Amino acid sequence: QQQVKQSPQSLIVQKGGISIINCAYENTAFDYFPWYQQFPGKGPALLIAIRPDVSEKKEGRFTISFNKSAKQFSLHIMDSQPGDSATYFCAASRDTNAGKSTFGDGTTLTVKP
Amino acid sequence: DTEVTQTPKHLVMGMTNKKSLKCEQHMGHRAMYWYKQKAKKPPELMFVYSYEKLSINESVPSRFSPECPNSSLLNLHLHALQPEDSALYLCASSHSNRVSYNSPLHFGNGTRLTVT
Repeated sequence: QQQVKQSPQSLIVQKGGISIINCAYENTAFDYFPWYQQFPGKGPALLIAIRPDVSEKKEGRFTISFNKSAKQFSLHIMDSQPGDSATYFCAASRDTNAGKSTFGDGTTLTVKP
Repeated sequence: DTEVTQTPKHLVMGMTNKKSLKCEQHMGHRAMYWYKQKAKKPPELMFVYSYEKLSINESVPSRFSPECPNSSLLNLHLHALQPEDSALYLCASSHSNRVSYNSPLHFGNGTRLTVT
């Protein structure tokens, strides 16, 4: 019930293309769904996040789409750039589970020039 | 640059050594975390401190000993580690220990630990 399944494991996209990473969760009590971006040698950084009462959140080229009934959420990166090449982790947490976040296994994105 | 500062950036230690990792944040956050991250894997929670008290220990071996001297500082004391403990150790903080939209996690850049 605590799992978050992330796909694909790796993704190669041409510059200017759309990158899409998907996550599925089981626990309907989750109420916070962040995406983290991690560059080699750095810690994860919060990229964008959504609450379950919203179906879409957009920040610049990054959009989260959230489907509560399907228990799925996805990250879309529009106009992908080589600088977006990084590992992306989805995560989920619930307010009552103090301090604990459940992470997906990560997606390594490579954007080719 | 991250607002959570970790030192040192790299650490090599033998199995009989004692060393400490340090973490500092000045965002006024009252929850601080230690995570362990192996290559190509997500972060794994080790410890959570809330208001300077240990609130979560994820069954971490006693060779890892956390300490929270004050609300801005977090230490991880290491003793008699094994080579399999080699990993990136990440510190994080959040406004409260309820990780949420209004209290997101802020990670440091980690300490790359190698145990020889």
